[in-house]
Amino acid sequence: EVQLVQSGGGLVKPGGSLRLSCAASGFIFKTYTMNWVRQAPGKGLEWVASIIGSSTDISYAASVKGRFTVSRDNAKQSLDLQMDTLRVEDTAVYYCATDGGSFDASGFYLEFWGQGTLVSVSS
Amino acid sequence: DIQLTQSPSSLSARVGDRVDITCRASQRIYFYINWYQQKSGKAPRLLIYGASTLQSGVPSRFRGSGSGTDFTLTIANLEPEDFATYYCQQSFSPPRTFGQGTRLETK
Repeated sequence: EVQLVQSGGGLVKPGGSLRLSCAASGFIFKTYTMNWVRQAPGKGLEWVASIIGSSTDISYAASVKGRFTVSRDNAKQSLDLQMDTLRVEDTAVYYCATDGGSFDASGFYLEFWGQGTLVSVSS
Repeated sequence: DIQLTQSPSSLSARVGDRVDITCRASQRIYFYINWYQQKSGKAPRLLIYGASTLQSGVPSRFRGSGSGTDFTLTIANLEPEDFATYYCQQSFSPPRTFGQGTRLETK
């Protein structure tokens, strides 16, 4: 059974830092691209970042580029999101999610999701 | 970035009804559209990918259709557990944007 268990999160002041983690099990982690997606309170979903299995290709949303860093440890089957210089507008529930599919077939999709963790940025 | 516009933003229906939720892309995205269901306080759940392929374990009353710029999620014979918010997402071009969501409420 695929499981993604998230940890980290909490309350931080603007300009502060926070680290989120996502522990994976039940699948061959190193072969999957992983993503972070967030959802501000009462709002829709926003893709934040993705990292391929080898960590050689990493992408960020424009809204977080230069402030957030995604990384993974395939040996530990874990995914992290280091969030620096946090802003009030970064307040959201953050989800980790696996990629499924391929561009040549049905395209990519977010197949399995973590339970989400709340990040609140407030003074 | 590719913009996705869902309509309606909210919808009221009864158990047993059929509903259609549409998603329009700002440019041609072929079949690279996915649909997710999200219940309050829970993570989204993948329903349909590649415009029309049903994810494993998803009931057959969910159907996806469309190509190019216009897509539809159809839920036939609504069940009580289907009342939730639904999102489309495109995977044709990064960043993989989402629609704003459609809230399906009980009438």
